[in-house]
Formats: sequence, structure tokens, C-alpha cells
Amino acid sequence: DAKTTQPPSMDCAEGRAANLPCNHSTISGNEYVYWYRQIHSQGPQYIIHGLKNNETNEMASLIITEDRKSSTLILPHATLRDTAVYYCIVRPGRGNQFYFGTGTSLTVIP
Amino acid sequence: SAVISQKPSRDICQRGTSLTIQCQVDSQVTMMFWYRQQPGQSLTLIATANQGSEATYESGFVIDKFPISRPNLTFSTLTVSNMSPEDSSIYLCSVLGTSGGSSYEQYFGPGTRLTVT
Repeated sequence: DAKTTQPPSMDCAEGRAANLPCNHSTISGNEYVYWYRQIHSQGPQYIIHGLKNNETNEMASLIITEDRKSSTLILPHATLRDTAVYYCIVRPGRGNQFYFGTGTSLTVIP
Repeated sequence: SAVISQKPSRDICQRGTSLTIQCQVDSQVTMMFWYRQQPGQSLTLIATANQGSEATYESGFVIDKFPISRPNLTFSTLTVSNMSPEDSSIYLCSVLGTSGGSSYEQYFGPGTRLTVT
């Protein structure tokens, strides 16, 4: 069961930061927030995940609110290759399979 | 991270026939999953492929239509049986990895694009 809410689509200018929001108001204490993206016709690609602290890696940053009911994925300098559908998923860290929601279709505009 | 390959990458099949999709992982993994992605839709979990036992199917999916094998910890097959045009989708294999600590990532294969005519 998808337990997240994301806007269906967003645009971002190339070179600017892309901020993708996700609401997960029913998140449990043991559930992590995961972000994946799917570029057209490819398998989903892992981006980042976190529990309560903000996280950063070479691809993106993840900002989780203090109450953990929402989060934002930040792509600091969006490129045309970042055009994809971005999925926010909540799941226990030691849980099994992912259940995908509808995601946000991000279009990076030249 | 795990490297996952799938065969075939795409196929066009006639209605009423069956297609078996193979998934090979470059390392032993405990959990393997099969997903379906219909045109323009998100991913839907079909089943968990269990090594040495019958697969665990999600609601709306049955073994007679989607038989799954998992003979070892690096390989699984999904068969789409008695196909109809509604089965035209991308079928994706996925495995559960470990990032260390208490959280687990999931990795996906490139998918098999199936068209049923």
C-alpha cells in the first residue's frame, strides 16, 4: 500500500535546484523514507534514503521534517538527464518489498 | 550494489502463448521480487520469489497465470501464461540488498518489455 502523496508533475530549469516534496503523514517510527527515480524505459534507480536526519550523497539531499510527516528530495543542480519519474516510498528498514505510488514526473527544461 | 540482468529485454508474443522471463543476479540475495509496469503506470508488485518454496503472490495475481521459479539464490524466472493484450507491460526483477546497518535498499533489473498481439 502506497502511503505517500506526491505532486504528479513538476518542471525545473536546467542548472537550478529541483525540490521534490513528499507527504507521508502516517509514517511509523521504524519506517525509512526512500527515493527512487525511473528514467524512461529503464528500471528504477535508488537515489537516497533516511530515517530522521537529513542525508546527502553524490546524487541528492534528503530533508525530513522534524515530525517526519513530510520530506523533500533536492537535486542541487538539475540537468536534462534528471528528467524522470521520482518515487517517494516509506518502508521499515528491515521490511521486504517496496510498494510504489504514482510518483512525480520531473521535467528539466533547457 | 547488485547487478541484475534480464532476458529477453523485449519480446512480441501472440495471444494465448506463454513467455518465460529470466532474472540473473551477480551475487547471492535472499529476497527477489517481480513487478509489472503497465503502459503509463507505476510499478505493481506481482510476487516475492522464495528460494526453495512457492512464491508469495500479491492480491490480484495468481500462480496459474504467473508461475515463478527460484532454484537458487542468484536466479529466478517469471512465466506469463496464456497471454492476452492486457498483459502487455514491462516486467521487472528486483532484489533486496543491504546498505549496512538496519536499512535495506532494493535494486531493479532493466526490465523486459512485453507486447502481446
